[in-house]
Amino acid sequence: NAGVMQNPRHLVRRRGQEARLRCSPMKGHSHVYWYRQLPEEGLKFMVYLQKENIIDESGMPKERFSAEFPKEGPSILRIQQVVRGDSAAYFCASSPTGVLRETQYFGPGTRLLVL
Amino acid sequence: EDKVVQSPLSLVVHEGDTVTLNCSYEVTNFRSLLWYKQEKKAPTFLFMLTSSGIEKKSGRLSSILDKKELFSILNITATQTGDSAVYLCAALNSGGSNYKLTFGKGTLLTVNP
Repeated sequence: NAGVMQNPRHLVRRRGQEARLRCSPMKGHSHVYWYRQLPEEGLKFMVYLQKENIIDESGMPKERFSAEFPKEGPSILRIQQVVRGDSAAYFCASSPTGVLRETQYFGPGTRLLVL
Repeated sequence: EDKVVQSPLSLVVHEGDTVTLNCSYEVTNFRSLLWYKQEKKAPTFLFMLTSSGIEKKSGRLSSILDKKELFSILNITATQTGDSAVYLCAALNSGGSNYKLTFGKGTLLTVNP
């Protein structure tokens, strides 16, 4: 059973460009979470999605950031018009439904560098 | 604002030593406390603790939760160089259907041969 997959693992963008980060949850998992880890900081919650629904986006910046988890395909975290402060590691986690829902399993992360 | 504080921030020990990592939390709608080990890639799940006073063990690692005092500890006995990593503590809060983790900054453990 493959774990949570994220791609790309590393992404370099210039200021003003768009960044698209992809996350494929573990097989059978329908809950996806995105977290951001800034240098010297802990992981910070951004958004929680189920298939085709955003459940909680309280940690997401109001502008330039969006997330989706379509019926088919991976979850996408999209950052428009990136700025240097967006440079960070972005981790995706997934969890199953039911009583095991509380355990989130993490992907390897995408390291975004904005030049 | 929800908060998780870990101590110490870093720790250097020799192989064979025993270490105790601390985690305190202030989280609304607290549900569970999770420990992860992060090397250079994905945080790897170690434990989830929901009830007070029940120790969870996995090999040389063990953890316990105190919901009255709002803290948890992670013990590692007979440390090995492979235990070197950042250990993350996270509190799971659930408001309605929302489940999100609030993380501490981590404890960087270095085990020297």
